[in-house]
Amino acid sequence: GENVEQHPSTLSVQEGDSAVIKCTYSDSASNYFPWYKQELGKGPQLIIDIRSNVGEKKDQRIAVTLNKTAKHFSLHITETQPEDSAVYFCAASANQAGTALIFGKGTTLSVSS
Amino acid sequence: ETGVTQTPRHLVMGMTNKKSLKCEQHLGHNAMYWYKQSAKKPLELMFVYSLEERVENNSVPSRFSPECPNSSHLFLHLHTLQPEDSALYLCASSQENRPDTEAFFGQGTRLTVV
Repeated sequence: GENVEQHPSTLSVQEGDSAVIKCTYSDSASNYFPWYKQELGKGPQLIIDIRSNVGEKKDQRIAVTLNKTAKHFSLHITETQPEDSAVYFCAASANQAGTALIFGKGTTLSVSS
Repeated sequence: ETGVTQTPRHLVMGMTNKKSLKCEQHLGHNAMYWYKQSAKKPLELMFVYSLEERVENNSVPSRFSPECPNSSHLFLHLHTLQPEDSALYLCASSQENRPDTEAFFGQGTRLTVV
């Protein structure tokens, strides 16, 4: 089955710096890779996702890159702000009904002003 | 608001108690899920319901019993739990039971078993 490893487990940056979170997956059949953000006291919320037919996707200050050959994908946050402080989860799955999303353990990002 | 509401937000129960967690979604979704979130561990999928039928049970102990009376409501009935069951229990819904459709999560129920 699929196994997703996420690093680092904690990340502290200064406001305005960039933050990068990396994930690796094991199942070559996986082709959908979402990222969720969980703020304190809230449930996870989808912030960006990427499918295997593209190598990069951007949405304002966040971007995700995917390397299918190496089986890893990364979340990039530029110009970080204090409100970016949260726990970020990557996930992977094969794109078919009945296949579950497999999540990483999460990265706690702290942005200090 | 995500459109997924969970109650209660916090629950403390003894090992001999019986309690239920409730989840309600107002998004018109066809699939609903229960996840367990423990510290330093990945989100663990517990149960999946699609069109009110249970389609997945990930080897969850029988002391956890789900119920989906209609497409908007999902319950998790708890009885004779163990301290290691203490965790954040998250409910989620999606348009259909496919991993590439966005899952909308509730705020969770923080469960403490004493």
